[in-house]
Amino acid sequence: DQQVKQNSPSLSVQEGRISILNCDYTNSMFDYFLWYKKYPAEGPTFLISISSIKDKNEDGRFTVFLNKSAKHLSLHIVPSQPGDSAVYFCAASASLTGGGNKLTFGTGTQLKVEL
Amino acid sequence: EPEVTQTPSHQVTQMGQEVILRCVPISNHLYFYWYRQILGQKVEFLVSFYNNEISEKSEIFDDQFSVERPDGSNFTLKIRSTKLEDSAMYFCASKSAGTPYNEQFFGPGTRLTVL
Repeated sequence: DQQVKQNSPSLSVQEGRISILNCDYTNSMFDYFLWYKKYPAEGPTFLISISSIKDKNEDGRFTVFLNKSAKHLSLHIVPSQPGDSAVYFCAASASLTGGGNKLTFGTGTQLKVEL
Repeated sequence: EPEVTQTPSHQVTQMGQEVILRCVPISNHLYFYWYRQILGQKVEFLVSFYNNEISEKSEIFDDQFSVERPDGSNFTLKIRSTKLEDSAMYFCASKSAGTPYNEQFFGPGTRLTVL
């Protein structure tokens, strides 16, 4: 079940530069998309979300872009800071399928921001 | 800032034993979830709970699993007879009724080790 895919297991970026993390999905019923950050031995921390009726949402250094036709979203972090080093998970949910709005996660991308 | 808490942080048990994992969701939240992450794999949905009943469950959540909200604050996951393959990080999450984009807030997790 690969409904949400993050094809890059790792990404290394220099401090101050832009980090771009990518996510692809296959389920057309997904209408909410979220990014979570996770440090080792901690739970996922919510970062930013977007609805399928939008193509961009911005919150400080974090911007999420959604391309519905391509079933692709990306998270931009600018400028990148060493504290951003973590695993980033893309998640999606389908509100119209009823139930409890479960999140379907990707496999994560390990971001390393180097000095 | 309100947060989801989980106890214990680490539970070691023998195969076949029962375990109960405990969670205290954020106080005004109404939707509750359990997810798990087997080492090296993605975060997987187990069950969602609303209005004192299960609203959705995954194929993983078989008869060995149960959830309960025994009082106004705790939310528990019980595994009746643990198997080796139940070893994973178990995350509790909660969500408020007014969440626009299905943002779920996660606890720090319980690491379950089945020997």
